Amino acid sequence: EVQLVQSGAAVKKPGESLQISCKGSGYSFAYYRIGWVRQMPGKGMEWMGIIYPDDSGTTYSPSLPGQVTISADKSISTAFLRWSSLKPSDTAVYYCARVRGDRFYYYLDVWGTGTTVTVSS
Amino acid sequence: QSLLTQSPSVSGAPGQRVTISCTGSSSNIGAGYDVQWYQQFPGTAPRLLIYANTNRPSGVPDRFSGSNSGTSASLAISGLQAEDEADYYCQSFDYSLRDYVFGTGTKVTVL
Repeated sequence: EVQLVQSGAAVKKPGESLQISCKGSGYSFAYYRIGWVRQMPGKGMEWMGIIYPDDSGTTYSPSLPGQVTISADKSISTAFLRWSSLKPSDTAVYYCARVRGDRFYYYLDVWGTGTTVTVSS
Repeated sequence: QSLLTQSPSVSGAPGQRVTISCTGSSSNIGAGYDVQWYQQFPGTAPRLLIYANTNRPSGVPDRFSGSNSGTSASLAISGLQAEDEADYYCQSFDYSLRDYVFGTGTKVTVL
C-alpha cells in the first residue's frame, strides 16, 4: 500500500526553527515528485512547492519566496519542510502528497497524514 | 486570493444529483490546463476524486464525475449519500501566476 506518513504536531514560538518530515512507503520514493500543501485554520489549500527526490530538484510557489526550504533524502524515503524563523502566520496544517502527471498538469494522488504546526508566543 | 472560485455550499437530499462549479479564467481552466477534484472530511487529509478533468482513480465510485466547459469545471455527484458530506476542492495550473492553484472549496451537505 502506498503511504505517506508525516511527523507529529509541533508547537513553536515565533522566531524558532522547525523541520517536519514525510516518509513514503509502498512505492519507489525517489522517482515520484512530492508536493507540499498548506491549509490555514478554517481555510482552503495553498500549493507550496515540489521536490523530485532522485535529484532533489525543487520548485517553490512564487507566493512563498524564501519562507521555507523543501528537501529530501531518498536513502530514507523522506521529504522535509523546514522553516528557519517561524511566524504566527505559519500556523496551519501541512500536507505532503505524491505528485503525478506532467509539468503544468500535476495532481496529487496520495496524501500524507498531515502535520499541525502552531506558532504562538 | 484564489483564482478558482467555488460556491461556498451545496446541499441535496439522499439520492439526488448535485453539481459543484469551479469558475476560473483564460489563464487557467480556459487555457486548457487540467482540473482535479479533491474530497476532504473534517480533520482528515484530502483525497483525490477526479484527475485530468474526467478521470477517476481506482476506488472512487462512478457516482462522481467531472467535466469542463470554457473557463469553468464541474464536479457532479449522483445518487447523493450521507457519506458524501464533505468539503470539495478543485485544482489547476495558472500560467499568469506560474503556480498551481486550488479552488475556494465547497461544503456539501446531505439533507
